[in-house]
Amino acid sequence: QKEVEQDPGPLSVPEGAIVSLNCTYSNSAFQYFMWYRQYSRKGPELLMYTYSSGNKEDGRFTAQVDKSSKYISLFIRDSQPSDSATYLCAMSGSNDYKLSFGAGTTVTVRA
Amino acid sequence: DAMVIQNPRYQVTQFGKPVTLSCSQTLNHNVMYWYQQKSSQAPKLLFHYYDKDFNNEADTPDNFQSRRPNTSFCFLDIRSPGLGDAAMYLCATSSTWGGPDQPQHFGDGTRLSIL
Repeated sequence: QKEVEQDPGPLSVPEGAIVSLNCTYSNSAFQYFMWYRQYSRKGPELLMYTYSSGNKEDGRFTAQVDKSSKYISLFIRDSQPSDSATYLCAMSGSNDYKLSFGAGTTVTVRA
Repeated sequence: DAMVIQNPRYQVTQFGKPVTLSCSQTLNHNVMYWYQQKSSQAPKLLFHYYDKDFNNEADTPDNFQSRRPNTSFCFLDIRSPGLGDAAMYLCATSSTWGGPDQPQHFGDGTRLSIL
């Protein structure tokens, strides 16, 4: 079993729709939960992160963590064609250099 | 702009022919990482340097080596590339380690093809 599971998609939505992405994990030591966005032929860039459980909102993006279920989500509201990318979840323990990534979900937002 | 630069962006080599990928950074970060990312798979950490201290992941094949001659540069050497080594290789840096307050900054990768 992989440490982090992420549905690879692909996901195709019309412009303006809500995009829902999620990951599950098995390591209860994970404390930091991150979402990276990776455009085609580019490296991943950190989109947002959450520490422990709870929600975090940044503009059109909302990250949720449910540690009891070992389940994290990213929601993109009012999706735009520029949101078309692969979204990778990543996690680490406290003071831990090592990131454990999901395989990424490829999202296409149709104009 | 401060950044992580990987060269070349695309590299083609022959089966068994040694190849070197390079990474440079202008962020003056202490930590540099090398990841291997195969199509539709999660990035896999190969090794990292904290300053000059080299840390190899347990499952990184011996075929993969790394050098960090100074703070700014880091190299990935593949001694005898096999077909299974075809992948995107990502370099990343962070100021130190410990949580996303010290996020990893990635380069745009080198896509390696093996003939």
